Order: sequence, then structure tokens, then C-alpha cells
Amino acid sequence: AQTVTQSQPEMSVQEAETVTLSCTYDTSESDYYLFWYKQPPSRQMILVIRQEAYKQQNATENRFSVNFQKAAKSFSLKISDSQLGDAAMYFCAYRGQETSGSRLTFGEGTQLTVNP
Amino acid sequence: DVKVTQSSRYLVKRTGEKVFLECVQDMDHENMFWYRQDPGLGLRLIYFSYDVKMKEKGDIPEGYSVSREKKERFSLILESASTNQTSMYLCASIPIGARRGWDTEAFFGQGTRLTVV
Repeated sequence: AQTVTQSQPEMSVQEAETVTLSCTYDTSESDYYLFWYKQPPSRQMILVIRQEAYKQQNATENRFSVNFQKAAKSFSLKISDSQLGDAAMYFCAYRGQETSGSRLTFGEGTQLTVNP
Repeated sequence: DVKVTQSSRYLVKRTGEKVFLECVQDMDHENMFWYRQDPGLGLRLIYFSYDVKMKEKGDIPEGYSVSREKKERFSLILESASTNQTSMYLCASIPIGARRGWDTEAFFGQGTRLTVV
């Protein structure tokens, strides 16, 4: 079974600075998807960024980028120019390649605080 | 916009009650999931379904059951609620993607905070 681990329960960053959230995972599959989701106090889960395992290029979405190290099974999220609105719980998630019956597995989450 | 709607945002039930948590999605998604979210434990998968009347156990199915009679609705049932089932419950749905079938994001409901007293 796949597992996802986030070893940082809490992180903090100063506004306008850069922060990196860590995620490692364990799988025997060669093809899969990785995600970072954000959960603000409203509780609504929002997709931040996704990475396809067969793509070597790291995904980027505006101020958010990932460092995907397939051999090390590591998938970290970098937030540049942090804003107060980035404060939230961040979850790393894994999904396998099956078209159906494939579960979406989450890590424990990292609570990000942004200090003004 | 895809919409996933959970029937209640907050719910208080008594120990031993049978509890139904409903989730409805409006975009014809095949895959639906029920998670519970607890501090420090992240989202843990209770059950999921990849088709009508099909269900698979997740990591923590004990004390729960599910029903999927129609494609758009996935119900989580607590047969006899207990205090250790006090938690946040999240429903999610994922479509079969046009390309490879797995490269699509999950869409979530707003969550139900269940308190069992």
C-alpha cells in the first residue's frame, strides 16, 4: 500500500519570504500522480499543484513550485513571496495510475503560518 | 463549476444512533471517496466507490458502511455512532479523465463536523 509522510506538522514564514514544505511517499508503482492541496480555515480543499510521475520537469503554478525527486520518492512544495492568504493546512497526496479503483492517499498535513 | 455537496456542515448525534452522511456531486464523476480528518493524522480513507453499487474498503472502515445506489450520491453510514467517531468527514469525487484516466484532481465537499455525545 502507498503511504505519504509529511514530517513537518507546523511551519511558519514571514510575509514575502520563501518556504518549503516536505513530503515523502512510498510506492512500488512507476506511474502515478502527486498533488499538493491547501485547506484554509473555511475547510474547502483547494488543489495547489500536481505532478505527473513520468514527467521529469518540475511543475510550477505562479508562486508555487515543486521539487520532485522520483528516485528519492520526495515531493516538496516551495511557496515564493509568501502572502497572508497562503496561511492554511497543506496536504500532500498520491494517486496511482488505475482508471478506477485507485485511491487518493494523503499525508498528515503541515500547518503553515504566515507572519506579517 | 463542479460541485460536491455534503448534507450538513455540523452535526451532533448521540451514542448508539444510526447516522447518515450524504454526499452529492453534480458532474457525473465515477469515483467517490469518504475520508475522516483528525489533527495530526491527516485525511484517512474510510471507503471509496468507483461505480454505482461498487465499494471498496479504505484504511479505516471499521464502524462504517456506505451506499451508492445512484452515481451522483455516496452515503456514509455510522451503524451505531460512538464518541471515537467524533471527527471531520470529507467527501471527494474524481472523474475518469479524458487522457489516461487518472490525471485529474479531486473535488471536495465542504466537510461535516460530526460530534457524538
